[in-house]
Amino acid sequence: EAQVTQNPRYLITVTGKKLTVTCSQNMNHEYMSWYRQDPGLGLRQIYYSMNVEVTDKGDVPEGYKVSRKEKRNFPLILESPSPNQTSLYFCASRRDSNYGYTFGSGTRLTVV
Amino acid sequence: GENVEQHPSTLSVQEGDSAVIKCTYSDSASNYFPWYKQELGKRPQLIIDIRSNVGEKKDQRIAVTLNKTAKHFSLHITETQPEDSAVYFCAASRFGAGNMLTFGGGTRLMVKP
Repeated sequence: EAQVTQNPRYLITVTGKKLTVTCSQNMNHEYMSWYRQDPGLGLRQIYYSMNVEVTDKGDVPEGYKVSRKEKRNFPLILESPSPNQTSLYFCASRRDSNYGYTFGSGTRLTVV
Repeated sequence: GENVEQHPSTLSVQEGDSAVIKCTYSDSASNYFPWYKQELGKRPQLIIDIRSNVGEKKDQRIAVTLNKTAKHFSLHITETQPEDSAVYFCAASRFGAGNMLTFGGGTRLMVKP
């Protein structure tokens, strides 16, 4: 089954404790992206990647890092999480910019 | 960068009625416009998309129209059903401009039985 898999689904952590949210897709897509979703703010793009070793900032990149060492994986790293990063995070992939995204199931992160 | 505005933010209709959601975009070079449906607690799912070389696209009860001159596009749902209740997002991107896909703020559609 074609899908985007992200883990974990739920995560509660403390301020400053480094964490990684994993994302993997099995569709051989070139493009991958991370979004955060907050009430009243819709979906905002954090980082995106157009190929292995090619990443770029989206609209809200501060406090996040990503890497794209393999085509299928695109982890999101929070080096020092803060409470304002409490949000619902979605990983997504697509064939190229002329196609829509397939989203993962989401990761609900709470930073206390 | 691209800016996408979506209206209304909430929409309540009676079952069987039609629903229309409108979006405007700022970048005249944008040429790909997808629509997503997000049910409560679920991921956004692509329901229909349109590219700038066509003005309208239909898929059963759902249609999307695009007016490039005015830089706006709309989602039309006919014969609404309770299972159409969800949040709908429009988005816009430009081929060749990287992987940016900018979303509108979303419309919560409620279909009353």
